[in-house]
Amino acid sequence: GAGVSQSPRYKVTKRGQDVALRCDPISGHVSLYWYRQALGQGPEFLTYFNYEAQQDKSGLPNDRFSAERPEGSISTLTIQRTEQRDSAMYRCASSLSQGANTEAFFGQGTRLTVV
Amino acid sequence: SQQGEEDPQALSIQEGENATMNCSYKTSINNLQWYRQNSGRGLVHLILIRSNEREKHSGRLRVTLDTSKKSSSLLITASRAADTASYFCATASIVGGSYIPTFGRGTSLIVHP
Repeated sequence: GAGVSQSPRYKVTKRGQDVALRCDPISGHVSLYWYRQALGQGPEFLTYFNYEAQQDKSGLPNDRFSAERPEGSISTLTIQRTEQRDSAMYRCASSLSQGANTEAFFGQGTRLTVV
Repeated sequence: SQQGEEDPQALSIQEGENATMNCSYKTSINNLQWYRQNSGRGLVHLILIRSNEREKHSGRLRVTLDTSKKSSSLLITASRAADTASYFCATASIVGGSYIPTFGRGTSLIVHP
C-alpha cells in the first residue's frame, strides 16, 4: 500500500481480555517499529524488527506484551489480560532499511481503550 | 525514557508570524527527525537532518542542528492556521546495532487566523 496501515483504528475491550493490533508496513520496508503514545506525550518505543527478527524489545512494559512479524511484513502486537493502564494510542512505523539515515513513516495508529 | 526534549511546550502565534521550536538531547546521535501530529491524525514526517549536517530546508521549514550543543531547532516561516499541530523531534542513535527513533514530549503550536 501507499503508507503504513494499522487496524483496527479504534478498539474498546474489557479488562482482562486479550487484544491483537495489526500493522501493515510500506511494501519493501525492512524495519518496523511499535510505539505507544499517551495523551499529551511523545511516542514511547516498545519494540523493533528487521525483517522477521525482533531486534529489540526493551520497551515492552511487561510480559503481557508481545509482538511478532513472522514473514517480515505484517506485524502483530498482542496484549494479554489487558488492564486499564494499557489504554493508549499504539503506533507502528516502518523504514526502508536499518541504515542510520532513513526516515521512519508512521501509520494512523490504533486507539485502545480498556474499560 | 525520552531522549529529546522540545521547548517550548506550547506556542501560540498569529498567522503570518514565524514559529521556532527547539529540541535538546543528551547523547550522541546519528540523525534527528522532526514530525508533525495534527489532532486526531497520525505522525507526519517533516524532515531528517544527519549528524554531519548543520541546516536543512523544506518549503517553509528550516531545521538546524548543533551537535556541540546537542540541540536542534525547527523554524516555520509565514505560519498558517493549518500549521496548528504538535511537533516532535526524534533522535536516532545506535543501540545494540539498531537505530531507534526516540521522541520528546513535543511542542504544541497554535496558529491563530
